[in-house]
Amino acid sequence: QSVLTQPPSVSGAPGQRVTISCTGSSSNTGAGYDVHWYQQLPGTAPKLLIYANTNRPSGVPDRFSGSKSGTSASLAISGLQAEDEADYYCQSYDSSLSGWVFGGGTKLTVL
Amino acid sequence: QVQLQQSGPGLVKPSQTLSLTCAISGDSVSSNNAAWNWIRQSPSRGLEWLGRTYYRSKWYNDYTVSVRGRITINPDTSKNQFSLQLNSVTPEDTAVYYCAREGVGDYYFGLWGRGTLITVSS
Repeated sequence: QSVLTQPPSVSGAPGQRVTISCTGSSSNTGAGYDVHWYQQLPGTAPKLLIYANTNRPSGVPDRFSGSKSGTSASLAISGLQAEDEADYYCQSYDSSLSGWVFGGGTKLTVL
Repeated sequence: QVQLQQSGPGLVKPSQTLSLTCAISGDSVSSNNAAWNWIRQSPSRGLEWLGRTYYRSKWYNDYTVSVRGRITINPDTSKNQFSLQLNSVTPEDTAVYYCAREGVGDYYFGLWGRGTLITVSS
């Protein structure tokens, strides 16, 4: 069971907008630690998608956006495209565990 | 452009030691601006951060609680790489192992290696 909780799956039609939630606790996201998001395409390593809650690394389309409030964070993907079909993971720091923790991942299906 | 190249055997017998290496190009393992991490991924445990090594005037290591006592992450400055050793492995240690770079103060992993599937089986 992962420290950060994500829905196992979400889906949407091309062009639509979907959101993926990430819920933590008072020792990680609720303690003010940033949330970061990764995209993992089939058979590849995770790739940084959003860092420090809302920031996109160079090269990441602005269709991807992040937000955080309290113990929860969200990843929004607008204008869904077929190539967005992937697994998405959130990550933060946990002070009780003194280490980095991940969500269980959310599989995005583009219908 | 920083790149991470992983190497190591894909099959390890139970009770033996898992050893992996991550070679760095475009950066230095001794950089004061980075930390060098190992992360694994399995269907049962998901993504799990294992530990890191970094240099800030001297060498430091941090390890996750679940493998503390079995894990060693070492820098090799002569080859500009870092390694993972995990002792007394069991089938539960079967996973894809990734090395990853973390910028100083970032608390996230901006660059990942391609991953190495390690199977623990006799």
